[in-house]
Amino acid sequence: QKEVEQDPGPLSVPEGAIVSLNCTYSNSAFQYFMWYRQYSRKGPELLMYTYSSGNKEDGRFTAQVDKSSKYISLFIRDSQPSDSATYLCAMGSGGGADGLTFGKGTHLIIQP
Amino acid sequence: KAGVTQTPRYLIKTRGQQVTLSCSPISGHRSVSWYQQTPGQGLQFLFEYFSETQRNKGNFPGRFSGRQFSNSRSEMNVSTLELGDSALYLCASSLDPDYGYTFGSGTRLTVV
Repeated sequence: QKEVEQDPGPLSVPEGAIVSLNCTYSNSAFQYFMWYRQYSRKGPELLMYTYSSGNKEDGRFTAQVDKSSKYISLFIRDSQPSDSATYLCAMGSGGGADGLTFGKGTHLIIQP
Repeated sequence: KAGVTQTPRYLIKTRGQQVTLSCSPISGHRSVSWYQQTPGQGLQFLFEYFSETQRNKGNFPGRFSGRQFSNSRSEMNVSTLELGDSALYLCASSLDPDYGYTFGSGTRLTVV
């Protein structure tokens, strides 16, 4: 079993829809949870950062962490064609020294 | 504010050669990490440097090495290149790793 599982997609939704992206993980030591967006030929861009369980909202993006279920989610409201990208979840146990463990990414397509 | 700069952007090398990749972090960021991204394995942690010290290393062979200079700039070196080393190599810097990293656009290495 991989440490972080993420459905690779592609996930295709119409413009304006609410998008739900998810990751599950197995390592209970993970304390920090992040979502990155990666466009083709670019490096990942940090979208959301959360620590421990709970919700965090930033504009059209909401990140949820449920540590009891080892499950994290990213919701995108009012999705736009410019949101079409690969979304990567990432997790760390703290201190940075162990590096981040990434999911393989979900390819999201927003249809105009 | 300048982002993370990686050079070169593209590189083609022959099997058996060695290669050095360079990374200039965001000014003030002392933590620099390196990741390898491939379609099959996704993003995998190579190593992390903080104030010129390697704090941890991922599960990669000794052919992969790195260093960080006093100005926080970092280099990674891959010796005796193999076809499987073809990948996007990403550098990321952080003020505090627990709050996420800023990635560069990467160096696309092709080994032929």
